[in-house]
Amino acid sequence: AQKVTQAQTEISVVEKEDVTLDCVYETRDTTYYLFWYKQPPSGELVFLIRRNSFDEQNEISGRYSWNFQKSTSSFNFTITASQVVDSAVYFCALSPMDSNYQLIWGAGTKLIIKP
Amino acid sequence: SAVISQKPSRDICQRGTSLTIQCQVDSQVTMMFWYRQQPGQSLTLIATANQGSEATYESGFVIDKFPISRPNLTFSTLTVSNMSPEDSSIYLCSVEDSEGEGGNTIYFGEGSWLTVV
Repeated sequence: AQKVTQAQTEISVVEKEDVTLDCVYETRDTTYYLFWYKQPPSGELVFLIRRNSFDEQNEISGRYSWNFQKSTSSFNFTITASQVVDSAVYFCALSPMDSNYQLIWGAGTKLIIKP
Repeated sequence: SAVISQKPSRDICQRGTSLTIQCQVDSQVTMMFWYRQQPGQSLTLIATANQGSEATYESGFVIDKFPISRPNLTFSTLTVSNMSPEDSSIYLCSVEDSEGEGGNTIYFGEGSWLTVV
């Protein structure tokens, strides 16, 4: 069975703090993709990153970084020096590599950044 | 990445009526998808729409309730028929497109917020 678990339902931090959103996945596929999407209050889903199962290198993009560890089946997302505009619901998702539209979604983590 | 526009962005609908949501993409794409996101929930795939063929529906979704059109490679519509309050959701159109570093990923429109009263 395939499953994505985002155990943190809601996180609230004060601006400028670092925050890590956890994502743990289960899959029997040997090749797969992992994704993170951001959904601000306006509702649109913004693609943040796709990582394939072959590539365990950590990724950094500005204040965002992702830590992929196959040994623990985790793909965690860290925001450094958080800002109010980072407030959103963040979704982690998994898909087989041969049909990457078949996304398995986590429940989402609501991130609240207080000024 | 593809730019996806949806109409309407929001609507309040009467119980028993139907509403058609439009999705326009700024480039030709093979696969388009329709998702539903009920309040406070994650996303659920309704169907996959390929141009020139009938949409493929996921378990729990039927064509009579959610008819889909895909007349060309840049446009699709989803109709929510005979609406009830349980249909109050965000409906999102998405496409598979190049991420730019090889391979494809799924991009989403802004969503259509439907409230059924």
